[in-house]
Amino acid sequence: GAVVSQHPSRVICKSGTSVKIECRSLDFQATTMFWYRQFPKQSLMLMATSNEGSKATYEQGVEKDKFLINHASLTLSTLTVTSAHPEDSSFYICSADDRQETQYFGPGTRLLVL
Amino acid sequence: LAKTTQPISMDSYEGQEVNITCSHNNIATNDYITWYQQFPSQGPRFIIQGYKTKVTNEVASLFIPADRKSSTLSLPRVSLSDTAVYYCLVVYSGGYQKVTFGTGTKLQVIP
Repeated sequence: GAVVSQHPSRVICKSGTSVKIECRSLDFQATTMFWYRQFPKQSLMLMATSNEGSKATYEQGVEKDKFLINHASLTLSTLTVTSAHPEDSSFYICSADDRQETQYFGPGTRLLVL
Repeated sequence: LAKTTQPISMDSYEGQEVNITCSHNNIATNDYITWYQQFPSQGPRFIIQGYKTKVTNEVASLFIPADRKSSTLSLPRVSLSDTAVYYCLVVYSGGYQKVTFGTGTKLQVIP
């Protein structure tokens, strides 16, 4: 089946710094990728839709200047959390669309902001 | 976006068959039904997908009635390792469409 990877799997940073998370589709091309955030014991919440070669589409309430998304190729999307604060600590998950009706999810990135 | 409703939690003993039902009353003609499994601190893992009637793979079966307003995920003979959260999603067949996660069903398998 299709494989999606994320890097890093865990990251700890100081408040005010920026963190970049990579999402790659390893064996298929993904024109569209999605970024989710998941807090403990809660469901996944969609943050934004990442489109290759164009601007991302953000969900209501998600600050586009804080969560920068770049989708420069058909296999890579990046999410940069700028000026991270403790409330940004969460589990970030990406998914990639296989151009049909199935989304495949990455393993997630645990972000802890001190 | 089609909204889904599932039971929040279920308990089952090892070796039993577990059926988790999801309702999706406003499913559209071009929508598929997809089920995912999620363990703590991991991304959701694809289990099974279907459009209508019955679909079976090596890990589960998916039953979809004719009106497609609900679906049932069937896990045969569950083991402790099946303890996880199970999500039902409705996905547009053309791809590129965002999906909305519901609460999911927390399945606890008891020894």
